Amino acid sequence: EPEVTQTPSHQVTQMGQEVILRCVPISNHLYFYWYRQILGQKVEFLVSFYNNEISEKSEIFDDQFSVERPDGSNFTLKIRSTKLEDSAMYFCASSDGTRGIQDTQYFGPGTRLTVL
Amino acid sequence: DAKTTQPNSMESNEEEPVHLPCNHSTISGTDYIHWYRQLPSQGPEYVIHGLTSNVNNRMASLAIAEDRKSSTLILHRATLRDAAVYYCILSSGAGSYQLTFGKGTKLSVIP
Repeated sequence: EPEVTQTPSHQVTQMGQEVILRCVPISNHLYFYWYRQILGQKVEFLVSFYNNEISEKSEIFDDQFSVERPDGSNFTLKIRSTKLEDSAMYFCASSDGTRGIQDTQYFGPGTRLTVL
Repeated sequence: DAKTTQPNSMESNEEEPVHLPCNHSTISGTDYIHWYRQLPSQGPEYVIHGLTSNVNNRMASLAIAEDRKSSTLILHRATLRDAAVYYCILSSGAGSYQLTFGKGTKLSVIP
C-alpha cells in the first residue's frame, strides 16, 4: 500500500540553525500538508500546498517557515532560524484532492525535531 | 471552527465492542464528521467519515445521530492494536481542507 515517507526520523539542531524536513507524498496525490505536535499536546495544522502554492496556513506558519516542492516527488518544510519552541514532531500528509472536504489525509511517520 | 467534545479517556476489554462518543452541537449542515486515530509514536491515521447516514468500513462503524449533534465511533472487537488516541474532527468548511485536532479520547485496551 502506498505511504507517505519522511526523512530524517530525528533531527537535532542548534538554536538559530536552518533545518529542512523532507517528505515524499503518495505519488498521485495533489494536496500536501504539514502539521506539528509538541510533546504531550495536540496535533496542529501548519500549512497546505496545492498546485505549487500555499493554499492555507495557520498563525504558527510565520516568516520563519517555508515550503517547497522542489521536484515531482519531494515536499519540504524549511525552518530558517530554529527556536527552542520549534522542538516538536512534524508530520507530513497528502490527499488526492478528488473529494474536497471528504478527502482522506494520509500521514507520514513524522520527523522529531529537537532544538538545543 | 465547529467544535467537538470527547471524553479524555476510555477503557475496553480486548475483543469487546467499544463505543467512542463525540458531541458536536454546533455542526453546520455541510460539515462532514471525520475520525482519525493516532497510535503511540505514529502519525494520525484515517478511520472513517460520514455526513448523515451511518457508515461502515473494515476498521469501524460510524453512527450519526439524527440531529447530527453527536456521533459514535464503534470498534466491533477491540484488539490491543486499537489502543490509540481517537480524534473526532469536523471538516472546516468550504475551501478549507485543514484538519483541526482536539485532544481526542485515549483508548486503553485491557488484555
